Amino acid sequence: DGGITQSPKYLFRKEGQNVTLSCEQNLNHDAMYWYRQDPGQGLRLIYYSQIVNDFQKGDIAEGYSVSREKKESFPLTVTSAQKNPTAFYLCASTPVGLAGPQETQYFGPGTRLLVL
Amino acid sequence: AQSVTQLDSQVPVFEEAPVELRCNYSSSVSVYLFWYVQYPNQGLQLLLKYLSGSTLVKGINGFEAEFNKSQTSFHLRKPSVHISDTAEYFCAVRVQIPAGGYNKLIFGAGTRLAVHP
Repeated sequence: DGGITQSPKYLFRKEGQNVTLSCEQNLNHDAMYWYRQDPGQGLRLIYYSQIVNDFQKGDIAEGYSVSREKKESFPLTVTSAQKNPTAFYLCASTPVGLAGPQETQYFGPGTRLLVL
Repeated sequence: AQSVTQLDSQVPVFEEAPVELRCNYSSSVSVYLFWYVQYPNQGLQLLLKYLSGSTLVKGINGFEAEFNKSQTSFHLRKPSVHISDTAEYFCAVRVQIPAGGYNKLIFGAGTRLAVHP
């Protein structure tokens, strides 16, 4: 089955610790995205990537970093600089056609990050 | 700046009753509009989308939405809801990022639909 997997489902972070959230897709999509979801605020874009070895900051990139070494993988690191990391993190992907990224984004099941 | 407003944070409704979840957007250019559904502790699933053409869009699970350009609205409706429709619903608009040809989704804050027996 094609889809997007995110791991782990729950992740705990200690003060001053960096943690990495995994996102893998086997849909052969070129574009991948990371969103943060907080109660009552909808989803906000953290980072996005349209091709391997290229990524761009979204609206709330401070305290986060990403890499895109492989087409199917787009891991997100929550650094110690992110002072309020408790949230639900969602990864998404979309195909890219001749006219650019296609319309529909496909989402993974999410990772809930909690601070100890 | 483009934005999406979901006018109701919570909508309680009885089973088999009709429901409308309201969404307004602000955009000065062509819009692509979406409704996504999120069940507890899960990712988002696409319900329906408007790209062009007919203003009445039908989606999965019996939902439909109507694009109204003059009112900048994209309200979601279902004539008869089930307990299983209890979830959070997000309206979103796709915007083009000027540099690099990227696009992104701008989401509303979400509407929690609670269907009661």
